[in-house]
Amino acid sequence: AQSVTQPDIHITVSEGASLELRCNYSYGATPYLFWYVQSPGQGLQLLLKYFSGDTLVQGIKGFEAEFKRSQSSFNLRKPSVHWSDAAEYFCAGGSSGNTPLVFGKGTRLSVIA
Amino acid sequence: EPEVTQTPSHQVTQMGQEVILRCVPISNHLYFYWYRQILGQKVEFLVSFYNNEISEKSEIFDDQFSVERPDGSNFTLKIRSTKLEDSAMYFCASSRFASNTEAFFGQGTRLTVV
Repeated sequence: AQSVTQPDIHITVSEGASLELRCNYSYGATPYLFWYVQSPGQGLQLLLKYFSGDTLVQGIKGFEAEFKRSQSSFNLRKPSVHWSDAAEYFCAGGSSGNTPLVFGKGTRLSVIA
Repeated sequence: EPEVTQTPSHQVTQMGQEVILRCVPISNHLYFYWYRQILGQKVEFLVSFYNNEISEKSEIFDDQFSVERPDGSNFTLKIRSTKLEDSAMYFCASSRFASNTEAFFGQGTRLTVV
């Protein structure tokens, strides 16, 4: 069955430090992969997506993610975290056709001074 | 920037009551979805809707649930007789093409069943 796993439930980083949020997928073929962010009281905002081609994708707010087929991973990175990045981050996967997105459980990011 | 809007933002209802959650998708989008997120759990797919009919539904979407696009702009989720376990954040989403392109999500409706 298709699945997306986010191993880390909660991560705390210092402001200005680098960030990497992990996401692993299990799909029969290359999935379409997404990262969404949910700030408190807000909806899900798309940060970036991977469909095919270049394995390093750039997103909004200075985020990037790298698709690694050999590791079945699509980790989200940011070189320098800002306090406003504190939020819940969701990795999601989809496949060809009108199939629904499968979400990971989310990783809550806290940013400390 | 176009966005998906959901109303109300928070609804409290008594067990056994009917609730209707409303969504206004982005105007030129063709595919519509409902997802839910029980507190502390992952976002789960409920149903997708295209061309005025359900295209796919999950096992969660039982006979207590229904969706409708009553006019050209609204997309509703109805829960006929709410249960305590229906308490969750419900997200509406829409996309221009099939779900694997960019899906835009609304801010969610927090449903609390008491």
